[in-house]
Amino acid sequence: QVQLQESGPGLVKPSETLSLTCSVSGGSISSSFWCWIRQPPGKGLEWIGFIYHTGSTDYNPSLKSRVTISVDTSKNQFSLKLSSVTVADTAVYYCARRPSGTTGWFDPWGQGTLVTVSS
Amino acid sequence: QSALTQPRSVSGSPGQSVTISCTGTSSDVGAYNYVSWYQQHPGQAPKLMIYDVSKRPSGVPDRFSGSKSGNTASLTISGLQAEDEADYYCCSYAGSYTYVLFGGGTKLTVL
Repeated sequence: QVQLQESGPGLVKPSETLSLTCSVSGGSISSSFWCWIRQPPGKGLEWIGFIYHTGSTDYNPSLKSRVTISVDTSKNQFSLKLSSVTVADTAVYYCARRPSGTTGWFDPWGQGTLVTVSS
Repeated sequence: QSALTQPRSVSGSPGQSVTISCTGTSSDVGAYNYVSWYQQHPGQAPKLMIYDVSKRPSGVPDRFSGSKSGNTASLTISGLQAEDEADYYCCSYAGSYTYVLFGGGTKLTVL
């Protein structure tokens, strides 16, 4: 059973780069698409982007200029970098799997990690 | 593109049925049969409850069902139980450029 776990700093200063890693256990990262989704406090969900194990990526157009998602198959991990952050980027960040051959749904999800943007 | 529209809250008594709507446009919900629903209890990660409009993952009770008509998708929960009290989010594929849109979420209260 695939499990995901996010890790990274919980506090980032405005204008800096947010960096998170998702560790995948119970299955190989060399299958499926691997995604990042965020949820600002008290608000709804927003898809950030995903990566395939080959390195192919797709990003939310509204975040595309600031987002980079990468994969390390040797460590069974994938990562998120979001540059030039503002307070509006404060959110719980989730990593999730989008199974190969499927469209538009995510399962399972990691527990999520709160990232606060503040000076 | 704007998020999908869901009612902010719904409620029902144990044993009753409730339906949560999710309204999009002809570019997302109406265009594709790729609507999914997620249940989120406070402080927990979202859990997939329905995918491809009406399919249930293994382990999800058959009390949960999904449907779609035009630009509106619906999640129906029958035989409400106390543990169903949670936030529910819909999600729809919206084409290769946007990929997916989520709804704003609906808080289900079991009275």
